Amino acid sequence: GVTQSPTHLIKTRGQQVTLRCSSQSGHNTVSWYQQALGQGPQFIFQYYREEENGRGNFPPRFSGLQFPNDSSELNVNALELDDSALYLCASSLGRNRGSGANVLTFGAGSRLTVL
Amino acid sequence: GDSVTQMEGPVTLSEEAFLTINCTYTATGYPSLFWYVQYPGEGLQLLLKATKADDKGSNKGFEATYRKETTSFHLEKGSVQVSDSAVYFCALSERGFQKLVFGTGTRLLVSP
Repeated sequence: GVTQSPTHLIKTRGQQVTLRCSSQSGHNTVSWYQQALGQGPQFIFQYYREEENGRGNFPPRFSGLQFPNDSSELNVNALELDDSALYLCASSLGRNRGSGANVLTFGAGSRLTVL
Repeated sequence: GDSVTQMEGPVTLSEEAFLTINCTYTATGYPSLFWYVQYPGEGLQLLLKATKADDKGSNKGFEATYRKETTSFHLEKGSVQVSDSAVYFCALSERGFQKLVFGTGTRLLVSP
């Protein structure tokens, strides 16, 4: 499956954070989502074969990396209070498919609290 | 842009009751539709999906039918169990993309 670390962390405003994800074996696409309390997940961006392949409405201080070994990172600079959320990583196989029905496998998430 | 609207929760039911969670969507093309479930402390799990109009997705007793004419994908189950207590998310994905657009989620609470 998909594993994420850390599970919980607390940062202060202005700091930087790195969240990590290990994709399901064989998957070549990773997506990151932000889930604020009581809300549905919001798409941050997607990486395919180590290159960004689509981005949601998030500022440039949200950045990512995908590595050849099925792992990836989400980096957030200059943390703001509104960045407090559950960050979900999801992996899948293939970049785009005709049906758009590829199944995403989600991790349990990293809960970030910004004070 | 694309959007998904779900009924607000929580939905509180007794065990063996009938469940309906409403979901409607707005999309420019012909999206695929999904229901995901999130149990406490866990990530999202795909419950069922449908890729074209009139398709019915089903899994673990849950069903949803893709209704293009009403742009809806309502989730139903004939007899809920306590173990079904969770948050349910309706989502869509435009054809050719893997980006999911989620609704705000509906919490289901089932009591014995």
